[in-house]
Amino acid sequence: GAVVSQHPSWVICKSGTSVKIECRSLDFQATTMFWYRQFPKQSLMLMATSNEGSKATYEQGVEKDKFLINHASLTLSTLTVTSAHPEDSSFYICSARDVNRDSQETQYFGPGTRLLVL
Amino acid sequence: GQNIDQPTEMTATEGAIVQINCTYQTSGFNGLFWYQQHAGEAPTFLSYNVLDGLEEKGRFSSFLSRSKGYSYLLLKELQMKDSASYLCAVSAPNSNSGYALNFGKGTSLLVTP
Repeated sequence: GAVVSQHPSWVICKSGTSVKIECRSLDFQATTMFWYRQFPKQSLMLMATSNEGSKATYEQGVEKDKFLINHASLTLSTLTVTSAHPEDSSFYICSARDVNRDSQETQYFGPGTRLLVL
Repeated sequence: GQNIDQPTEMTATEGAIVQINCTYQTSGFNGLFWYQQHAGEAPTFLSYNVLDGLEEKGRFSSFLSRSKGYSYLLLKELQMKDSASYLCAVSAPNSNSGYALNFGKGTSLLVTP
């Protein structure tokens, strides 16, 4: 399957700082990438959809000014958690949408970024 | 809204067969995915069903019945490394992104010797 990388894999930061997470599709171009958040023993919750060359679209309840998303190229999307607080501590996972020749869509996930805000 | 249900936990013995069920009620349907997720790691893609029937891929098979809103993942010849969480996800229309994945809470499978 396709490969998606995510960096960094671990972040520990002080409350009030901003954290930037990168998501890259390594062997395919992804016009659409997704950002999820997962709390312990919970399901993946979609935060926002990142579209190359346009503004991200956010799910209900997700603050767009707090979670800044930039999809500057067909292989890179970034999520910046601004002024992070302890309640933002979570597992952040990105995925990239790949469409094959049969128009079948599959999302491939990055390895995730574990954020701990002290 | 979207509703995806699957059992919380299952236990099975090494070498056995286990079936993980998933029922769904969604506004629209564009396919059902199964992912495997080991603790602390991101999900990895296992299977995709968009038409009714059984899709077989090695030790893993996935079945779909759209009329019943039902799918199952079948794991054969279980190995210890199959202990993981198995996520059922339905692709359905989303006003923000065209189609988006809606995840169940996952089934934690424990394989015992």
